Amino acid sequence: GEDVEQSLFLSVREGDSSVINCTYTDSSSTYLYWYKQEPGAGLQLLTYIFSNMDMKQDQRLTVLLNKKDKHLSLRIADTQTGDSAIYFCAESPLTTGANNLFFGTGTRLTVIP
Amino acid sequence: DAGVTQSPTHLIKTRGQQVTLRCSPKSGHDTVSWYQQALGQGPQFIFQYYEEEERQRGNFPDRFSGHQFPNYSSELNVNALLLGDSALYLCASSRDRVETQYFGPGTRLLVL
Repeated sequence: GEDVEQSLFLSVREGDSSVINCTYTDSSSTYLYWYKQEPGAGLQLLTYIFSNMDMKQDQRLTVLLNKKDKHLSLRIADTQTGDSAIYFCAESPLTTGANNLFFGTGTRLTVIP
Repeated sequence: DAGVTQSPTHLIKTRGQQVTLRCSPKSGHDTVSWYQQALGQGPQFIFQYYEEEERQRGNFPDRFSGHQFPNYSSELNVNALLLGDSALYLCASSRDRVETQYFGPGTRLLVL
């Protein structure tokens, strides 16, 4: 079955880069996503990568995908206090026939001023 | 362009009661998915509706049911509430099965 794993916590200093890692199990996943959740709020789509890509950059965000190792990472450059939130990695496996998402438990990013 | 909206924002119920949650998808979207997010966990897929039919279902009991209306809005119904049903219920919409899902703010349900 689908299993997405993330480390639970990450602390960085303001201005540094943050790297959040994720491993997934379903090699049929077509898209892999990063969502951000602030306290008491829903999920905000940050970025996504198609499984035939290695890297995607979007302003301060860089996504790296190692399909062989089923490893996904999100790098946030020049991390700001407003980036403090929980970050979820999610996969969308082809085998389900639909675009439903399987999420990790989330990584809580704390940015220290 | 309105995003995904959900109502109510918060709800308190007692064990054994029934609850209905509502979702309006983002403009142009025809597919609605529901997720349950327990405290400290990632969201878990409940089911997905497309063309007023349940297309996919996650590992949730029959107490969880839904409906999609011709205008693509959707309802999630939970019968015989248990304490363990306390969670944030998230609705997400997309354009059919191949598009990225966008989430609403959620409904926080507390079962006492």
